[in-house]
Amino acid sequence: EAQVTQNPRYLITVTGKKLTVTCSQNMNHEYMSWYRQDPGLGLRQIYYSMNVEVTDKGDVPEGYKVSRKEKRNFPLILESPSPNQTSLYFCASSLRYGGNYGYTFGSGTRLTVV
Amino acid sequence: GQNIDQPTEMTATEGAIVQINCTYQTSGFNGLFWYQQHAGEAPTFLSYNVLDGLEEKGRFSSFLSRSKGYSYLLLKELQMKDSASYLCAVCDSGYALNFGKGTSLLVTP
Repeated sequence: EAQVTQNPRYLITVTGKKLTVTCSQNMNHEYMSWYRQDPGLGLRQIYYSMNVEVTDKGDVPEGYKVSRKEKRNFPLILESPSPNQTSLYFCASSLRYGGNYGYTFGSGTRLTVV
Repeated sequence: GQNIDQPTEMTATEGAIVQINCTYQTSGFNGLFWYQQHAGEAPTFLSYNVLDGLEEKGRFSSFLSRSKGYSYLLLKELQMKDSASYLCAVCDSGYALNFGKGTSLLVTP
């Protein structure tokens, strides 16, 4: 089944403890992206990647890192999480960057930082 | 910057028709998407418009007017399961996908 898989689905962590949220897609998509979703603010892009080893900042990149060493994987790294990073996170992928390819979203990761 | 506006909330009755509007001002335009999102779940693709006019897909239709920076999503024969958030997203000149804040639709019996 074609899908985007995120792990974990739920995570509670403490301030400052490094964490990684994994994202993997099995559709051979070139484009991958991370979003966070907060009440009243909608989906905001954190980072995106147009292909292997090509990443760029979105609208809210502060406090996050990403890497794209392989086409299928696009992990989101929080080096020192803070409470304002408590949010619902979505990974998405698309065949290519641009055009009408649309996005396929992962199931989401609900992160709480205390 | 990007500006995408949609109503925050709407309520409609089961079996009725509802229209969700979206207006946008973006740096360039390369298409407009509508997504459906149930609470706590991932957004799922509904429709894509890049040319002016109406695209129909079953009970859902989407309309675009590029000159007016305007789109709407039309849902017919509403069902209870249509209660969800509907997200308007515009692909700009840099091909980034910019999302509106979403419209929460409540379908009542």
